[in-house]
Amino acid sequence: AQKVTQAQTEISVVEKEDVTLDCVYETRDTTYYLFWYKQPPSGELVFLIRRNSFDEQNEISGRYSWNFQKSTSSFNFTITASQVVDSAVYFCALRATYSGAGSYQLTFGKGTKLSVIP
Amino acid sequence: DADVTQTPRNRITKTGKRIMLECSQTKGHDRMYWYRQDPGLGLRLIYYSFDVKDINKGEISDGYSVSRQAQAKFSLSLESAIPNQTALYFCATSDHRGTYNEQFFGPGTRLTVL
Repeated sequence: AQKVTQAQTEISVVEKEDVTLDCVYETRDTTYYLFWYKQPPSGELVFLIRRNSFDEQNEISGRYSWNFQKSTSSFNFTITASQVVDSAVYFCALRATYSGAGSYQLTFGKGTKLSVIP
Repeated sequence: DADVTQTPRNRITKTGKRIMLECSQTKGHDRMYWYRQDPGLGLRLIYYSFDVKDINKGEISDGYSVSRQAQAKFSLSLESAIPNQTALYFCATSDHRGTYNEQFFGPGTRLTVL
């Protein structure tokens, strides 16, 4: 079985502060894929990033950065200099690669609601 | 135009009614999925389909049925709606040819069962 834990249910920060959203996963597979999605107040789900289990290189995209550490089974997401438009619910998700139809299912964490206060 | 569309976007219905949620995509993806989102629970998979002839139950399929009318269309039905099926429903698609097989989501359908 696989599991994704986002321990932070809600976070509030003041605009321009940095914030890190935590994601811890569990899987027995050696090959797996991790994703982050953003759900703004309008409700849609926006794909942000993907990472495979063999690529531990951190990634930066503008104010966003992701830290993948297999040793701690974590895939954390940092927003630098947060802005009000970053206010959203953020989901971490895991896809394992065990054989069978289930290998294409995504297991989602319960999400972290980020509020950026002006 | 959006790549993944869902209709209706909002629906209020009564207990016992049959309701269908529709999903269409122009991404050319072969795999399609239905999820529901409940506050504090994240997204849970209801059904998924790898092609027109392949339908699979997900984590919470009881009370739901699906139909894959074409590669681009995947419908979710509630045969007899009940209040605990009130939720935000998402359709998603993915391409089996991609290594990551990341899923792309529609805008969601907010369903309320009274």
